Order: sequence, then C-alpha cells, then structure tokens
Amino acid sequence: GPKVLQIPSHQIIDMGQMVTLNCDPVSNHLYFYWYKQILGQQMEFLVNFYNGKVMEKSKLFKDQFSVERPDGSYFTLKIQPTALEDSAVYFCASSLRAGGYAEQFFGPGTRLTVL
Amino acid sequence: GQGVEQPDNLMSVEGTFARVNCTYSTSGFNGLSWYQQREGHAPVFLSYVVLDGLKDSGHFSTFLSRSNGYSYLLLTELQIKDSASYLCAVRDQGSALGRLHFGAGTQLIVIP
Repeated sequence: GPKVLQIPSHQIIDMGQMVTLNCDPVSNHLYFYWYKQILGQQMEFLVNFYNGKVMEKSKLFKDQFSVERPDGSYFTLKIQPTALEDSAVYFCASSLRAGGYAEQFFGPGTRLTVL
Repeated sequence: GQGVEQPDNLMSVEGTFARVNCTYSTSGFNGLSWYQQREGHAPVFLSYVVLDGLKDSGHFSTFLSRSNGYSYLLLTELQIKDSASYLCAVRDQGSALGRLHFGAGTQLIVIP
C-alpha cells in the first residue's frame, strides 16, 4: 500500500539546537499531519497542514515549532530551539481527503532525543 | 476535554479471538478509527466506524455504540503474527481536517 517515509529514523541533539524532521508523504496526498508520542504515552496531535498553510494546531505546537512543505517536497517539522521535553517520537501522516472517511497514512516515526 | 481509554494489555490463545475495548469521551464525535502498530513501525489503518453496530471486515470486525462512547475491535482466528499494539483514535467534530485523538494502545499478545 501507499507509504509515508520519515527521515531520519533517529536524531540525537543538544538542548537549544535546531532540528528538522523530514516527511515524504504519499505522492498525491493533499493533507499533512504531525503527531508526538512521548515514551509510554499516547500519540498526540500537533498540527495539520493544507495548501501551504497550518489549518489546526494543538497546545503542544509551541512557538518554537514550525512546519512547511516548500515546492511540494518534504513536509518538515522544525524545532528551534529544542528543549528537553521535546524528546519523543514524531509521527507524520498524510491523507488524500479531509474529514471522517479519509484514512490517514502514517510514517514509522522519528525518535528525537534532546540531551 | 478529549479522553480515549484502552486497556494496556491483552493476552489470547492462537486460533481463538481477542476483543480490544475502547471508551471515549470527546467534545463531539466524527468517527473512530482502529490502527495496528508494531514496535518501530508505522501505525497501519484497519477500520473506520461512524455508525452504530457491528462492521464485519473478515479477520477484523469493529463495533460502535455512540450513546455509550464505546467501541471494540474483534480479531478472530488469531495468529501469532497478530501480536501487536492496537490503537483506537477518535475524530472530534470540531476538526474539519481530521484531527485524531489516540488512546495509549492495547498490547495484544497471542500465545500458542
């Protein structure tokens, strides 16, 4: 089936540094999402993105976070500067349509460790 | 607030069945999805339900009761490879683009 890729699979950085997480969504999908999962907890919605704009974001999407998809390439999540509490697995997802029946396809996640 | 609850663990015997329960309390409801996730891999979509009743999809079936805020995923004729984490995710009514609220997942272990 369609696959979402995420690069890198693991990233270790020092607190205060910038990090960019990359997502290669399913090629004809139009809606993009980031979710955050802290170890042992449930996956939580961060943000969704359509037509070059952030449509919805949660309280977890701090001012230090930003997303973009320049020229239809990778959908990225940038954190600048990083904090210790940003350590988590970040999952990217994409869907062809919005709304109830639109299946979200997930990537395998990027494990971010902030030291 | 949004609350989606699932039991942490479930163990069943190969060849039998397993029922993974999910209860939710959300501000509005716009459907519930089930995903299967193996360690280190992407969650894989299994089913979406928005109407009450049982939806039979062969190896996986799903049930929904909106008045009770309850759903279950039923796996029949279990195989060892069905051992995985099963995630329940609810869409709230306020999200036009499909913001999902996940439970913490139920780890199913299928034993011989």
